[in-house]
Amino acid sequence: DTGVSQNPRHKITKRGQNVTFRCDPISEHNRLYWYRQTLGQGPEFLTYFQNEAQLEKSRLLSDRFSAERPKGSFSTLEIQRTEQGDSAMYLCASSQARTAEKLFFGSGTQLSVL
Amino acid sequence: GENVEQHPSTLSVQEGDSAVIKCTYSDSASNYFPWYKQELGKGPQLIIDIRSNVGEKKDQRIAVTLNKTAKHFSLHITETQPEDSAVYFCAARTPDNYGQNFVFGPGTRLSVLP
Repeated sequence: DTGVSQNPRHKITKRGQNVTFRCDPISEHNRLYWYRQTLGQGPEFLTYFQNEAQLEKSRLLSDRFSAERPKGSFSTLEIQRTEQGDSAMYLCASSQARTAEKLFFGSGTQLSVL
Repeated sequence: GENVEQHPSTLSVQEGDSAVIKCTYSDSASNYFPWYKQELGKGPQLIIDIRSNVGEKKDQRIAVTLNKTAKHFSLHITETQPEDSAVYFCAARTPDNYGQNFVFGPGTRLSVLP
């Protein structure tokens, strides 16, 4: 069990650029979640996958955000035409279906949009 | 939707003293309440959780209590140690179609002074 892995750890980009983050969940976990965390706040739910199916999306997730989980393994989160308000920590978490509540988080990707 | 409030936002205690963090939730349908510890540069780590059919749960120096009638739950840390210094988040899970909707509180920064 190597834990949830996220890459890159840090990303600095200019406004208007596209960025993509990757999450590798714990291998036997079939559920994968993306959260966003801003300074001084708790994580905010963005979207959730069970295997390869994206089952739920938050209203926070604008059309510029898209997430995929091909083959039900790793997941990517893409932000198009980044805005300064997108600056945040993007956290990925995974869980087993059997113990769905127990979320295991990665260390996150810190995005800074200049 | 669910709203989770958390108090205090910062807490300083002397090593060896106890620390208590309190959370309230708004949706009476919430049925699962985890607590997460987040250290600098890391993702949140689950430290203890409680289901709505249980009033109290203890794990060594940490305990969680739940009052469903008042819709509040608390984290208790006894015999605090410097390594307990971190940001602590409570969360409430509201069942929805997929049972995956977690709402996090804004966090409490705990400092344990040696």
